[in-house]
Amino acid sequence: NAGVTQTPKFQVLKTGQSMTLQCAQDMNHEYMSWYRQDPGMGLRLIHYSVGAGITDQGEVPNGYNVSRSTTEDFPLRLLSAAPSQTSVYFCASSYSLPGGTDTQYFGPGTRLTVL
Amino acid sequence: TQLLEQSPQFLSIQEGENLTVYCNSSSVFSSLQWYRQEPGEGPVLLVTVVTGGEVKKLKRLTFQFGDARKDSSLHITAAQPGDTGLYLCAGQLLSGKLIFGQGTTLQVKP
Repeated sequence: NAGVTQTPKFQVLKTGQSMTLQCAQDMNHEYMSWYRQDPGMGLRLIHYSVGAGITDQGEVPNGYNVSRSTTEDFPLRLLSAAPSQTSVYFCASSYSLPGGTDTQYFGPGTRLTVL
Repeated sequence: TQLLEQSPQFLSIQEGENLTVYCNSSSVFSSLQWYRQEPGEGPVLLVTVVTGGEVKKLKRLTFQFGDARKDSSLHITAAQPGDTGLYLCAGQLLSGKLIFGQGTTLQVKP
């Protein structure tokens, strides 16, 4: 099992550019989530999915899009990057609702800098 | 706004010392989790507590959930350099939403 994988590990963008952060899991988890981590602010939920074809907004969804065409993949798209989106992005997956008795597994993160 | 306040934010201690990290909120949680994160990696779940007053031990780490399920603490006995990292608490609200504290950066010096 590779667990949760994320690519790329690092990325530098210019303001206005678009890109897709890739996330994949091989544990057959239904729930997948995208978080951003900023200094002193913990983890904040961007978007999440409760299964293939179903996505919903989290706490900070503006400027990001997601889709879930398969159980395994959950890409995060930045439509027009802004310096405020400079952050470390984590993808996570779990069998059921995060925070319950099931373990939520995190990927290694993507460190994004927007100039 | 539901908040989960973690304290202290930074802690630098010598090997062998004891420490406690606190996680407090005015909201009631159905469960509370503690994670540990090392530089360049994602958070890793250490424990989940679900019952008010519950105490769980993981080697030198002791986790407690408050009786009213609004707060939690993490106590480390005889800290080791390998305990260095970022510790995050996360509470699941009764609505199902999961919120994270700001994190506590722990440095244990040999």
